[in-house]
Amino acid sequence: DAGVIQSPRHEVTEMGQEVTLRCKPISGHDYLFWYRQTMMRGLELLIYFNNNVPIDDSGMPEDRFSAKMPNASFSTLKIQPSEPRDSAVYFCASSIGLRTGELFFGEGSRLTVL
Amino acid sequence: KQEVTQIPAALSVPEGENLVLNCSFTDSAIYNLQWFRQDPGKGLTSLLLIQSSQREQTSGRLNASLDKSSGRSTLYIAASQPGDSATYLCAGLSSGSARQLTFGSGTQLTVLP
Repeated sequence: DAGVIQSPRHEVTEMGQEVTLRCKPISGHDYLFWYRQTMMRGLELLIYFNNNVPIDDSGMPEDRFSAKMPNASFSTLKIQPSEPRDSAVYFCASSIGLRTGELFFGEGSRLTVL
Repeated sequence: KQEVTQIPAALSVPEGENLVLNCSFTDSAIYNLQWFRQDPGKGLTSLLLIQSSQREQTSGRLNASLDKSSGRSTLYIAASQPGDSATYLCAGLSSGSARQLTFGSGTQLTVLP
């Protein structure tokens, strides 16, 4: 398997623009997670899905953030409008189970909002 | 609320040395503990996953242990190599919710040739 695939790897945009990050989990994994990593706050869980259904979105910072998982092989994280404080590395991860499965991360999408 | 601490924040060792990275957690009702490696500009790579019923896991030169009663996990790296240089993070799951998967801040390891 190719692992968790994220795109784009790098995104530079201007404040106010819409940003869409994409993720393809490992086939057969029924949990998908979106994390954000910054130097100041480390890794933060934004939202996670089980069988394409959002389970906990309490980590989503504001209404400007939204995430969808229309099918088992694709998820998006959207920021609209983007702000400079959203600059971070956004990771997607998947696992086959929560208690027993290893967590596999993608390479991340580095977002810079000017 | 689970808190995960990794000390030291940074460690530098000469090549060939055996070393131990430490991870401590506050909630002993832990389901599993996972060790990751992160290279600069990269994602996290899973190294070892220890279930609460297990005491240790081994993979090649790596051995991870879990002591729930003391709230500690260690990652032992044998015969370290410059390629082992990376940041190592541990994460503990303390309930059935992914919200309770808590990451440590990591130990940045440098292995000098």
